[in-house]
Parts: sequence; C-alpha cells; structure tokens
Amino acid sequence: DVQLVQSGAEVKQPGESLKISCKGSGYTFTNYWIAWVRQMAGKGLEWMGSIYPGDSETRYSPSFQGQVTISADKSISTAYLQWSSLKASDTAMYFCARLVTGIDYWGQGSPVTVSS
Amino acid sequence: DIQMTQSPSSLSASVGDRVTITCRASQAIRNDLGWYQQKPGKAPKRLIYAASNLQSGVPSRFSGSGSGTEFTLTISSLQPEDFATYYCLQHNSYPWTFGQGTKVEIK
Repeated sequence: DVQLVQSGAEVKQPGESLKISCKGSGYTFTNYWIAWVRQMAGKGLEWMGSIYPGDSETRYSPSFQGQVTISADKSISTAYLQWSSLKASDTAMYFCARLVTGIDYWGQGSPVTVSS
Repeated sequence: DIQMTQSPSSLSASVGDRVTITCRASQAIRNDLGWYQQKPGKAPKRLIYAASNLQSGVPSRFSGSGSGTEFTLTISSLQPEDFATYYCLQHNSYPWTFGQGTKVEIK
C-alpha cells in the first residue's frame, strides 16, 4: 500500500529554523512528484511547491518561493520542507502528497506552531 | 496563475438531497481537475480525477463533469458521512491552485 508518513507536531519560536519530513513507502519513490500543501487554521488548501525525487527538480508557487525550501533524499525515500527563519504566520498544518493526475495520496499532516 | 472560483462556499442540505458544487477556472484547463473531500482534522481524500473519473473505492453517488473552464461535482443522494468540506484542484499549469472550498452542513 502507498503510504506517506509525516513527522510530528512542532512548536517553535519566531526566527528558529525547522525541517519537516515525509517518508514514502509502498511505491518507487523516485518516480513520482511530491508536493507540499499548507492549510492555515480554518482556511483552505494552498499548493506550496513540489519536487521530483528522481532528480530533485523543484517547482514553487510564487507565494512561497524564497520563503521555504523543498528537498528530498531518495536514498531514504523522504521529502522535506524547510524554513530558515520561522514567522508566526507560518503556523499551519502542512501536508505532503503524491502527484498522479493531480494528487492521489496524502500524508497525515504535520502541525507547526510558531509562537513566542 | 489560474484562479479557481468555487461555489457555493457553504450549503445546508438534508440526507438524501442532491448536491451540486461548481468550480470555474479563469482559463481553460482541459480536464486537468480533481475533487477532494476533507473532514475536520483529516487529510483530504480524492473523489474524482481527470474531471469525471471516480477514484477507486469512492461511492458511485459521487460524480464529476465538465471540461475547459466549468466543472461540477454532484452527490446524487447525500449521506451522513458526506458532511465535509470539498475542494477542486487544477493541475493544468503551475502553480497548481485549489478552489476556496465548499462546506456541506446538515440542514
């Protein structure tokens, strides 16, 4: 079975760095794009960007370009979403998702809270 | 960017009702559209892909139609487990964009 398992909840202070993860299993990880999607509390879904683990090609939404970094380590079938300096406005749930004719599988979500 | 305008933003309906949700794209996206259901605290789940294809395991009361700029998700007979928020997603061109969501509530 295809599974995307994300890292757990994080509580950070503004200005701190953070890297959350998404481990794929049950399929050939290098053959499918992985996306990251943000959902702020009580709000809709926002596509942040995606990565092709086979060659690490990435595409970012203009809204998130320069704000986050998407990467992958194909040796351990894991994709990452990273911030160098968190803001309170980064507080949200973050989902990873596999891309097949849109999105077919989702991770369970990683809640991130940024508060002083 | 392609804007996806979803309507209505919310609706109240009874069990057994027929429900229709619409997404309009700001430019033609062929049939590069999916529909997703999200329940509180959970990840979204795909219902429809390529505008009109039912995802495996999804009940046949869900259907999708449309092409180009106008798309519809229909629930033929609303069931208690269908009360949720529904989103469309266009994957025709980057950046991919979601509709704003439609919350289906119990009347």
